[in-house]
Amino acid sequence: RKEVEQDPGPFNVPEGATVAFNCTYSNSASQSFFWYRQDCRKEPKLLMSVYSSGNEDGRFTAQLNRASQYISLLIRDSKLSDSATYLCVVDNDYKLSFGAGTTVTVRA
Amino acid sequence: GAGVSQSPSNKVTEKGKDVELRCDPISGHTALYWYRQSLGQGLEFLIYFQGNSAPDKSGLPSDRFSAERTGGSVSTLTIQRTQQEDSAVYLCASSLSLPGWTGGSTDTQYFGPGTRLTVL
Repeated sequence: RKEVEQDPGPFNVPEGATVAFNCTYSNSASQSFFWYRQDCRKEPKLLMSVYSSGNEDGRFTAQLNRASQYISLLIRDSKLSDSATYLCVVDNDYKLSFGAGTTVTVRA
Repeated sequence: GAGVSQSPSNKVTEKGKDVELRCDPISGHTALYWYRQSLGQGLEFLIYFQGNSAPDKSGLPSDRFSAERTGGSVSTLTIQRTQQEDSAVYLCASSLSLPGWTGGSTDTQYFGPGTRLTVL
């Protein structure tokens, strides 16, 4: 089983729509959780850290369910600039494990 | 402030040659990581350094890969006798602390722009 698994998508949504996707992780001892975004041919950049049961940052909401070992990301009022690959990241024995990413395409 | 920098940005080499990739982490970051990302794939962990501790080399794919971190700052990833399957983007990241130690923002990793390695 992969350490971090994500639905690869793609999720194709119109501007203004809400899109949500999940990520599951295998290590129940994990303590740190992040969402990174990666644009085509660019390095990953931190979108948000996920604390406690979840948190919100503007149009982005992350939720953490430790019992079921999944993290979700919800994007409200999506913009064209939200088009990217979203990487779910979880700590695993002092290293970070990256999911393969969920691709989101926002169309005009 | 200055972010993570990597050089070269692009490297084209012939099969069998050795290459060195360089990473300058954010000043003050004690943890440094190397990853590689093949086209359309996720990030594959290679190695990390934390302070003066022995590096975790568990992700290195073969003994042709090695890395050093001098003076707790700059790191060099060396690939000997390159093969075509080594072609990928090699990403370096640094953080204030190792993940899982604090569960907070100090373990956030900041990435450099990567080195795109092409082995012909």
